[in-house]
Amino acid sequence: DIVMTQSPDFLAVSLGARATINCKSSQSVLYSSNNKNYLAWYQQKPGQPPKLLIYWASTRESGVPDRFSGSGSGTDFTLTISNLQAEDVAVYYCQQYFNTPDTFGQGTKLEIK
Amino acid sequence: QITLKESGPTLVKPTQTLTLTCTFSGFSLNTSEVGVGWIRQPPGKALEWLAFIWGDDDQRYSSSLRNRLTITKDTSKNQVVFTMTNIDPVDTGTYYCAHGTASASLDYWGQGTLVTVSS
Repeated sequence: DIVMTQSPDFLAVSLGARATINCKSSQSVLYSSNNKNYLAWYQQKPGQPPKLLIYWASTRESGVPDRFSGSGSGTDFTLTISNLQAEDVAVYYCQQYFNTPDTFGQGTKLEIK
Repeated sequence: QITLKESGPTLVKPTQTLTLTCTFSGFSLNTSEVGVGWIRQPPGKALEWLAFIWGDDDQRYSSSLRNRLTITKDTSKNQVVFTMTNIDPVDTGTYYCAHGTASASLDYWGQGTLVTVSS
């Protein structure tokens, strides 16, 4: 199985500042035939199901604010939240869907400083 | 619009078999490009992918749990049924079903159902 490791586990950022969450996969999730990275990012607020933010490593899901952006390729990926808002407090997960079984990172809890 | 809803028992005894049903609307589970998966989350812990079934009936399972899991679909009822045998207290958690595609992974989720395993 591909192991997904996120860093940090916990992050406190001031309102209006930038938050950066990293995700590393134990093997590449880049599919060479279409040059797509099979990496997604989810946001989970307390008592709610996860919400898809980003797929193919950098494609924002419809309706997701443009302050959320994804980058990276191969084995190293980043979720960046610019101009942090109070409603961004949540746990964020990366997930690879390159190989079955899909696997998630352990999560990064984001709070306001 | 796409919606999914999980249903099943909230309390299960150890060694029993857990059966959960995902009832969905807004899509048809009859093509290889669309599927439904099950993901669980123990209290306060991370998400764990369990199983997935594509519209062409291709079934995929967690490596560590595959011997205990079964996922099937009933296209006529718009339902996906998930079973886990020999249930244990460590299987306690919220179980989610989700709509998936090969491109966007899990893009629509149900609200989840909390399953407690206890004697």
